[in-house]
Order: sequence, then structure tokens, then C-alpha cells
Amino acid sequence: EVQLVESGGGLVQPGESLRLSCVASGFTVSSIYMNWVRQAPGKGLEWVSVIYSSGSTSYADSVRGRFTISRDFSQNTLYLQMNTLRTDDTAMYYCARDPGGGGIHAFDIWGQGIMVTVSS
Amino acid sequence: DIQMTQSPFSLSASVGDRVTITCRASQSVGTYLNWYQQKPGKAPKLLIYAASNLQSGVPSAFSGSGSGTDFTLTITSLQPEDFATYYCQQSHSTPYTFGQGTKLEIK
Repeated sequence: EVQLVESGGGLVQPGESLRLSCVASGFTVSSIYMNWVRQAPGKGLEWVSVIYSSGSTSYADSVRGRFTISRDFSQNTLYLQMNTLRTDDTAMYYCARDPGGGGIHAFDIWGQGIMVTVSS
Repeated sequence: DIQMTQSPFSLSASVGDRVTITCRASQSVGTYLNWYQQKPGKAPKLLIYAASNLQSGVPSAFSGSGSGTDFTLTITSLQPEDFATYYCQQSHSTPYTFGQGTKLEIK
């Protein structure tokens, strides 16, 4: 079964760090585009970051320089290292797969989401 | 950045109705336009990709059209399970922006 399972969320104070993980099954994270998308409580969806099959990355302006996306081939896992967290980073974080090929450039598989709360 | 604007913000409709949601991009995205459905407490679900292609397993009551800057999502004969929030998203260029969402509620 193709699925994504996130972990690593929780409650942290402003300025602290957190690393989210997203374990993939049924496909290889290295062969596809992988994204992080977040949703603040009661708000809409905000794209955060992508890592392409080539290994190149891109970030939303709101997180560039603070967040780092990466992947581990051996663990078939996607990561989001979040540093210098701010209260406005509080959100449900989703990892999402983008086939990036075969005519599909959309997020076709999503994880269940993991909550990150930044508060003092 | 490409801004995505959906209308209406919210919509009340009845079971069996036909509804249309529109999405406008601030610049051309070609057909790099996708539609998602999200129910409370759940992850979004891909409905339509590349403006008009129905994702596998999605009912044929859903359809999408458009290109360039103007797009529509149409749901024919609303079912109870269709009441949710719908988002458009451009995958033309990063940042891959979403519309603000359209909440479809039962009248």
C-alpha cells in the first residue's frame, strides 16, 4: 500500500528546533518529488518546501533560511528540520507526494498530518 | 509569486444540486492547476490534476476545466459526502500556491 506517515511533532517554545519525519511505503522517496505543506488552525493550506528527485530543493519565503528539507534513501524517509521556530509556524504539517511525471504534477498522496505547536 | 483566488469563499447548496467553484491565477499557469477536497480533521485529497484530469477513484461527478488564468471545478448532483472545503493549487512554479479555499455547506 502506498502511504506516508509523519512523526516528530509536538509543543516547543519560540526559538527552538524540531525535526519532522515522513516515512514512505509502497514507493521510493528518491524517485519522486516530495513536499511539505502546512495548515495553521482554522486556516488554508500553505506549501512549505519541495525536494525534487534530482535533490534540488525550494522553500516558501516564510521558512527559507530556517527550515531544511532532506531525505534518507536507506530509511525511505523525508525530513523537515525546523529551526528558530516562531509562533506563526504553529500548524498541522503534511508531507505529500508529487509524481512530477506521467502528466501528473500534483500532490496525489498525503500523510495524515502531524501537529506542531510553538508557544511559550 | 503566483496568487490564486477562489470564489466564492463559501457556498450553500442542497443534495442533488450542481455547483461551480472558480479559481483565478495572477498570471498564466498553463494547465498546471489542481483541485483538492478537504474534510474536517483529514488530509486533503486530490480530485483533479492538470486542470481537467480526474484522479483515479474520484467520482465522475467532479470535473475541471480551464487554462491560463481561469479555472473551474464543477460538481454535478451533490452527494452528502461532497460537503467539504475545496482548494485549487498551481504547480506551475514554486512557491506552489493554494487558493484560500471554498467551503461547501449544506443548505
